[in-house]
Amino acid sequence: KAGVTQTPRYLIKTRGQQVTLSCSPISGHRSVSWYQQTPGQGLQFLFEYFSETQRNKGNFPGRFSGRQFSNSRSEMNVSTLELGDSALYLCASSLSLAGGGYEQYFGPGTRLTVT
Amino acid sequence: SQQGEEDPQALSIQEGENATMNCSYKTSINNLQWYRQNSGRGLVHLILIRSNEREKHSGRLRVTLDTSKKSSSLLITASRAADTASYFCATDALISGNTPLVFGKGTRLSVIA
Repeated sequence: KAGVTQTPRYLIKTRGQQVTLSCSPISGHRSVSWYQQTPGQGLQFLFEYFSETQRNKGNFPGRFSGRQFSNSRSEMNVSTLELGDSALYLCASSLSLAGGGYEQYFGPGTRLTVT
Repeated sequence: SQQGEEDPQALSIQEGENATMNCSYKTSINNLQWYRQNSGRGLVHLILIRSNEREKHSGRLRVTLDTSKKSSSLLITASRAADTASYFCATDALISGNTPLVFGKGTRLSVIA
């Protein structure tokens, strides 16, 4: 099976612009989660989508939004970019485990630089 | 805020030595997982240990879990240069429904050939 793919891999934007990142989960995985990773804050959960519905949301401002399509592909959007949004954005699709819990499979990430 | 906190933040060892990383967390959990991240890339799942398990092995990896102390350790035996990476623990809280994984800030391991 193909792994989680993310596009683009690298992106440079200027302050005030908006950006859309894309994630294709592993075939058959219905849950997609997004994380922001920075040296200072580490890995921070943004949101999770399951069957086109947002199931969980992290503590990020409304400038960060996402959606999921019927084929489980997901996009996240950041509007009015700020310098502090520069980060590695990671997408993960999840496989539920018998007995509870789940494992996450991560994509390679999108490196966003805001200048 | 981070649920898991890894210790040490950085570790440097010689090839062939064992590496031990620790993780502490704050709330009751369903499972604890360890992930590896090579520089600037995605995370790779290493091992999952359930809250009712105390120890688990996978190849050169050994994970222990002490729920009374809310802590876990990851031991990598006979380390190799290719083990150089950052290692993260992640937990999902023991509440109903799916909860997001919460990651610690990681331990940066350097294995010197």
